[in-house]
Amino acid sequence: AQTVTQSQPEMSVQEAETVTLSCTYDTSESDYYLFWYKQPPSRQMILVIRQEAYKQQNATENRFSVNFQKAAKSFSLKISDSQLGDAAMYFCAYRIPGGAGKSTFGDGTTLTVKP
Amino acid sequence: DGGITQSPKYLFRKEGQNVTLSCEQNLNHDAMYWYRQDPGQGLRLIYYSQIVNDFQKGDIAEGYSVSREKKESFPLTVTSAQKNPTAFYLCASSQSGNYGYTFGSGTRLTVV
Repeated sequence: AQTVTQSQPEMSVQEAETVTLSCTYDTSESDYYLFWYKQPPSRQMILVIRQEAYKQQNATENRFSVNFQKAAKSFSLKISDSQLGDAAMYFCAYRIPGGAGKSTFGDGTTLTVKP
Repeated sequence: DGGITQSPKYLFRKEGQNVTLSCEQNLNHDAMYWYRQDPGQGLRLIYYSQIVNDFQKGDIAEGYSVSREKKESFPLTVTSAQKNPTAFYLCASSQSGNYGYTFGSGTRLTVV
């Protein structure tokens, strides 16, 4: 069974600084997808960024980027120029293509942004 | 605007009672999912459905039931067999392929 591990239960960053959230996963599949989701205090989950395993290029969405290391099974999220609105719980998720597309989630990292 | 609507936002259940959580989407997504979220834990999959009239158990299906009579709707019933139902429940949907999920705003269920 696939597992997703987020080793940092809590992280903090100063406003305008950069922070990196870690995620590792375990799988025997060669083709899969990885995601980062944000859950703010409202608890509405929002997709932040996704990465296809067959792509070597790291995904980027504005201030959010990933460092995908397939051999190491690592998928970290970098948030640049942190803003107060980035404060949330962040979940890493793994999904295999096709089928029902069910995802496996990590336990989350709570990010605090200090003004 | 397209999205997923979960209702109610808060729900209270008495011991021995069955309750149903509603989930409706107008995104024309084929797949729908129910996840449970407990404090300090990630999301755990309860049930999922790829097409109408078909659904599969997830990792923690015991004490729960679902139906998928319409593409737009995927209600979750928490039965009296679920001994610890107090949690936050999230419904999600997805297109086929490599897309991520779209989530509803969740239902907070509390046993009283």
